[in-house]
Amino acid sequence: DGGITQSPKYLFRKEGQNVTLSCEQNLNHDAMYWYRQDPGQGLRLIYYSQIVNDFQKGDIAEGYSVSREKKESFPLTVTSAQKNPTAFYLCASSTYAPGQLGSGANVLTFGAGSRLTVL
Amino acid sequence: KNEVEQSPQNLTAQEGEFITINCSYSVGISALHWLQQHPGGGIVSLFMLSSGKKKHGRLIATINIQEKHSSLHITASHPRDSAVYICAVKGGGGSQGNLIFGKGTKLSVKP
Repeated sequence: DGGITQSPKYLFRKEGQNVTLSCEQNLNHDAMYWYRQDPGQGLRLIYYSQIVNDFQKGDIAEGYSVSREKKESFPLTVTSAQKNPTAFYLCASSTYAPGQLGSGANVLTFGAGSRLTVL
Repeated sequence: KNEVEQSPQNLTAQEGEFITINCSYSVGISALHWLQQHPGGGIVSLFMLSSGKKKHGRLIATINIQEKHSSLHITASHPRDSAVYICAVKGGGGSQGNLIFGKGTKLSVKP
C-alpha cells in the first residue's frame, strides 16, 4: 500500500546532539513537507520541497536542515541550534503542479509522526 | 487574531449525537482541508474543499467562501470518531507551502 513512513516513532536526544528524522513516501508525490506540532498550537511549517534537489524554508526553519536528493525521501535534521526541539514532528506529501495558481490544493498525506524529546 | 479559528476547542458528545465543528478564516483561500488526528498522532485527510459541500459516509463538510466559514458535521457519532479535528486553509498563491492550520477541536464521543 502507498503511504508515508516516518522513523523513528520516538526519539530521545541529549542537548547538543543533532538528530535526523526520516521520511519516505512511495506515493510518487512531488511535494513533501515537515511540520512541527506543539501542545495547544496549530501545525507549523518547518521546510517544504516541491521538487527534487530544491526546498524552501517554512515559518520556523531556524535550527533545522533538510535535503531532497530523491523524490521519495525528505529527511529532517534537528540541529543543536534548535533552542526548543522537544515536539511532535509530522511529515506530509502531496502532488504538485506548478501553474495551478488559484486552483484547489492537492490532497495531503501525512506520516504517523515522530516524537522527539530532548533530555 | 489567528488567521484560522476553530470552535469549539473541546467537544464531548454522547454516542449517536449529531456533531458540528466550525472553522472561520480571515484570509483569501483557494482550498480548505479538514484533517483528523488520532491519539497516536497520525493525521488523515478527510476532505479538501474549494466550494459547496462534500460527503463521505457519516461525515459532511461545507464551505461558504463569502462568509469565510466551513463546518464539519458528523452524523450518528461513535466513540471511534474521538479524535482531534483540524481545519487548514491554503492561500491563493501557487506555493504549496502556505497552509495555515487551526489549533484543532478535540472531540470525545462517549458510549
